Amino acid sequence: KAGVTQTPRYLIKTRGQQVTLSCSPISGHRSVSWYQQTPGQGLQFLFEYFSETQRNKGNFPGRFSGRQFSNSRSEMNVSTLELGDSALYLCASSLGLLADIQYFGAGTRLSVL
Amino acid sequence: SQQGEEDPQALSIQEGENATMNCSYKTSINNLQWYRQNSGRGLVHLILIRSNEREKHSGRLRVTLDTSKKSSSLLITASRAADTASYFCATDAGDDKIIFGKGTRLHILP
Repeated sequence: KAGVTQTPRYLIKTRGQQVTLSCSPISGHRSVSWYQQTPGQGLQFLFEYFSETQRNKGNFPGRFSGRQFSNSRSEMNVSTLELGDSALYLCASSLGLLADIQYFGAGTRLSVL
Repeated sequence: SQQGEEDPQALSIQEGENATMNCSYKTSINNLQWYRQNSGRGLVHLILIRSNEREKHSGRLRVTLDTSKKSSSLLITASRAADTASYFCATDAGDDKIIFGKGTRLHILP
């Protein structure tokens, strides 16, 4: 069974631009979560989608948004990029609840210049 | 505020020695999980321990949970170079969210 796939692996953007990251969960998993990881703040929860609905949301500004498609694939979008958005963005999928075992992708490393 | 806090922040030990890292949390939990992250990669699930369990084993890993002290420990026995990674605890406080700590960086010296 294929694991969680995130694309692209690396991304370089400039301030003010927007970016879209993609995540394909493990087949059969209906929950997809997104996390931002930085050296200073650690792993912070962005949001979770389940059956195309946002079920949970972390404390991030509205510039961060996401969606989930009917095939459970998910995208997250960051608009008006800031230098502080430079981070490793991780996607995880699970069978059902967010509190279940999470299966992580390798991440997308975003650098904002 | 962070639900889970790992301790120590960093740990260096000789190959073959045992490594112990701890996680403390603030509120009651349903379960606690430990994950490993190799540098710049995604996290890998290691063990899930439920609030009514006190100890769990998986290969060279041993996890304990003390709900009265709101703490958990992860013991890695007979460490290997491949165990070099960051280790995170994640707590489920019953509000359908899990919160990760900032992790312990473990370095196994040859």
